[in-house]
Amino acid sequence: AQSVTQPDIHITVSEGASLELRCNYSYGATPYLFWYVQSPGQGLQLLLKYFSGDTLVQGIKGFEAEFKRSQSSFNLRKPSVHWSDAAEYFCAVAHTGGGNKLTFGTGTQLKVEL
Amino acid sequence: DVKVTQSSRYLVKRTGEKVFLECVQDMDHENMFWYRQDPGLGLRLIYFSYDVKMKEKGDIPEGYSVSREKKERFSLILESASTNQTSMYLCASSLPLGNYNEQFFGPGTRLTVL
Repeated sequence: AQSVTQPDIHITVSEGASLELRCNYSYGATPYLFWYVQSPGQGLQLLLKYFSGDTLVQGIKGFEAEFKRSQSSFNLRKPSVHWSDAAEYFCAVAHTGGGNKLTFGTGTQLKVEL
Repeated sequence: DVKVTQSSRYLVKRTGEKVFLECVQDMDHENMFWYRQDPGLGLRLIYFSYDVKMKEKGDIPEGYSVSREKKERFSLILESASTNQTSMYLCASSLPLGNYNEQFFGPGTRLTVL
């Protein structure tokens, strides 16, 4: 069965600094991968997704993620963090059986220091 | 603007009560999902539905049931609420089976069972 690991529970960065959030997946075939963000008191919003093709994926709000098959990773990056990026970030992989079902990681809480 | 709405943001119920959580989407999506979100556990799928009157168990269906009588509405039912069902409940919807499309999330219902 598929699984997702987000090894960092909390991360703190200074505003303007670069950011990398880690995500490792376990999946037998080519995975369908997603990053979602949850701002305080809100539902989840899709940042970006990877299905195939170019391994560097651009998303909204200046985020990007790189799919590395050899490392089973799909890390999220941003070159310069803004205070409004403080939120919880979830990595997810689609189920093998399809149906748009997702398995989520446990999330990484991002704090931005001004 | 796409929208998924949930009937309550906050709900307090007593042990043993029957609880209904309602979710409505206005995007004419075939798929709808119910998740619970707990700190350190991420999002876990309770049930999903890929059509009216169709449902399928997710990863943690015990203690829950669902109802989908109309395409736009998906209800989560706690037949006899227990304290271990205190959690944040998130509803989502997406385009049909087989397409790894974005799930659109509602703002969540924070349920406390006393």
